[in-house]
Amino acid sequence: EAAVTQSPRNKVAVTGGKVTLSCNQTNNHNNMYWYRQDTGHGLRLIHYSYGAGSTEKGDIPDGYKASRPSQENFSLILELATPSQTSVYFCASGGQQNTLYFGAGTRLSVL
Amino acid sequence: GEQVEQLPSSLIVQEGASVLINCSYTDSASVYFPWYKQEPGKRLQFIIDIRSNMERKQTQRLTLLFDKKTKHLSLHITATQPGDSAIYFCSASRNSNNRIFFGDGTQLVVKP
Repeated sequence: EAAVTQSPRNKVAVTGGKVTLSCNQTNNHNNMYWYRQDTGHGLRLIHYSYGAGSTEKGDIPDGYKASRPSQENFSLILELATPSQTSVYFCASGGQQNTLYFGAGTRLSVL
Repeated sequence: GEQVEQLPSSLIVQEGASVLINCSYTDSASVYFPWYKQEPGKRLQFIIDIRSNMERKQTQRLTLLFDKKTKHLSLHITATQPGDSAIYFCSASRNSNNRIFFGDGTQLVVKP
């Protein structure tokens, strides 16, 4: 089965600190996505990528950067973390059919 | 851009009941509609999909109906079990090189 692995699974950060969330997929999918999930908001798209070297802004990109150095890896970077970025973050990869395979999520708390 | 809406936002049913989750979209160019299930504390997992050239798809206790004219989908779950308790997400996309748009989800609770 397709595998998407996120790290870390849990993270506590301080306001103003830098946070990097990592995602690795072994599906050889071109497309990768970062979402955040908050109660009452469903899934909101932060950044996505169509392949190595490409990143695109989603619906809520402010305060986040993304990096896709290879087909397998897609990172989400919070340069200056704020409490409003406390959330659960999901990475996903998608192939030709656009069916998504999700990671297990990263629970981030910014204090 | 595309907007995907789901109703109801939550459902509580007794084990054995059938449920219907409705989904509507706005972009007539959307062609692919996968649904996902998220059990408490877990990742989203694909459960069923349909393409715009189909009207109906069934797998086990799930039936997905699609109406291209009204831009409406409905997911029917029969003989519900407590293990069906989860958030169900509808999504829509044009093709593999386009964005995927999600609804806000429907929280289903099945009481034993």
